[in-house]
Amino acid sequence: DTAVSQTPKYLVTQMGNDKSIKCEQNLGHDTMYWYKQDSKKFLKIMFSYNNKELIINETVPNRFSPKSPDKAHLNLHINSLELGDSAVYFCASSRSSGTGNSPLHFGNGTRLTVT
Amino acid sequence: TQLLEQSPQFLSIQEGENLTVYCNSSSVFSSLQWYRQEPGEGPVLLVTVVTGGEVKKLKRLTFQFGDARKDSSLHITAAQPGDTGLYLCTADGGSEKLVFGKGTKLTVNP
Repeated sequence: DTAVSQTPKYLVTQMGNDKSIKCEQNLGHDTMYWYKQDSKKFLKIMFSYNNKELIINETVPNRFSPKSPDKAHLNLHINSLELGDSAVYFCASSRSSGTGNSPLHFGNGTRLTVT
Repeated sequence: TQLLEQSPQFLSIQEGENLTVYCNSSSVFSSLQWYRQEPGEGPVLLVTVVTGGEVKKLKRLTFQFGDARKDSSLHITAAQPGDTGLYLCTADGGSEKLVFGKGTKLTVNP
């Protein structure tokens, strides 16, 4: 049983295109996240939602827009893709927002390659 | 400024060897977590440490939280190829954000 699932696993697209990544969790968690992992494996938070409400919005270009239709889903839409957007994007969820008392459960990542 | 500094960045050892990796900061944390990430997968939680000086063991892995709650170490005894992966520490960076270190990439050769 997959706890946090994201699709697609691989996404290859050209500069300027618009693409979406979907994420679903079946853990009953209230909080969901998007993280970006660059080529040096540095994992950085982009967004978090708690019960469909945006909690964290890091310094991310406006081309990135998260959408949470319900607390089990958090999708990421990216407009006008650029070469620098190439990375692995991880969705995660936790029982509540923030701290170490509520560990993160990650999906297996979406490897985005922009050519 | 990197909130959490992990060292070494890369570590390649032979099966059966012992190793220690570190996670350091100038900040005090209420808790700190260690995750392991295997290729093609997302990070998976190994442990959470909460109390200064706390030691937790997970089979051959020993985790310690510094007395001042600013740093942590992970010691692996008799490493096995299955221990290969990226080891990440993370802590509450404030404003409900968990921040990650850059990780230690461990390779255990058979």
